[in-house]
Amino acid sequence: GAGVSQSPRYKVTKRGQDVALRCDPISGHVSLYWYRQALGQGPEFLTYFNYEAQQDKSGLPNDRFSAERPEGSISTLTIQRTEQRDSAMYRCASSAPGRDETQYFGPGTRLLVL
Amino acid sequence: AQSVSQHNHHVILSEAASLELGCNYSYGGTVNLFWYVQYPGQHLQLLLKYFSGDPLVKGIKGFEAEFIKSKFSFNLRKPSVQWSDTAEYFCAVTWHMDTGRRALTFGSGTRLQVQP
Repeated sequence: GAGVSQSPRYKVTKRGQDVALRCDPISGHVSLYWYRQALGQGPEFLTYFNYEAQQDKSGLPNDRFSAERPEGSISTLTIQRTEQRDSAMYRCASSAPGRDETQYFGPGTRLLVL
Repeated sequence: AQSVSQHNHHVILSEAASLELGCNYSYGGTVNLFWYVQYPGQHLQLLLKYFSGDPLVKGIKGFEAEFIKSKFSFNLRKPSVQWSDTAEYFCAVTWHMDTGRRALTFGSGTRLQVQP
């Protein structure tokens, strides 16, 4: 597609529910990144993939968070047993192969856990 | 851990005023440097980037930034701001490390408000 897309754009859920956030990167982009942004802060790294391989998950805050990219394109970030502190903007970015590692961001998913 | 600092959290300017937003990063070897902007209701967009070469880089909409290696800084500038520049600005850095990690480390952002 023309840009990175994310769905849903907004998600309201109750504490304890599981949520799945989806990211569809720019066509041909090999690398895909997930970030989380709290209000008033810059985005913070969660995890990233090259193709379908999860290269780094050091930013995932705990084992309730997981991500996958089974076919090397669309990625899903799953949060199990959501807590109020999980409320944030979740951003996805992708970058092309090669030396230019510029990351292009999607519109984000705003998650609110009640 | 590497870090990025943006010193100005909220800046208010009148139209036609000059802008300079500070960004400093922690030492860690070779870096790639970025400025992203988020206009109200929109997603993060790339303003400009520095990988190597001329330390003065020009981006979209009249913005420029200067990489000063000795000061670990990458300040964003614009000679004359417009009301449409009202947005939040983020400095971001990647460090070239043996681990191959390419994740961006962001500053906390600067909210720019331009008054007509």
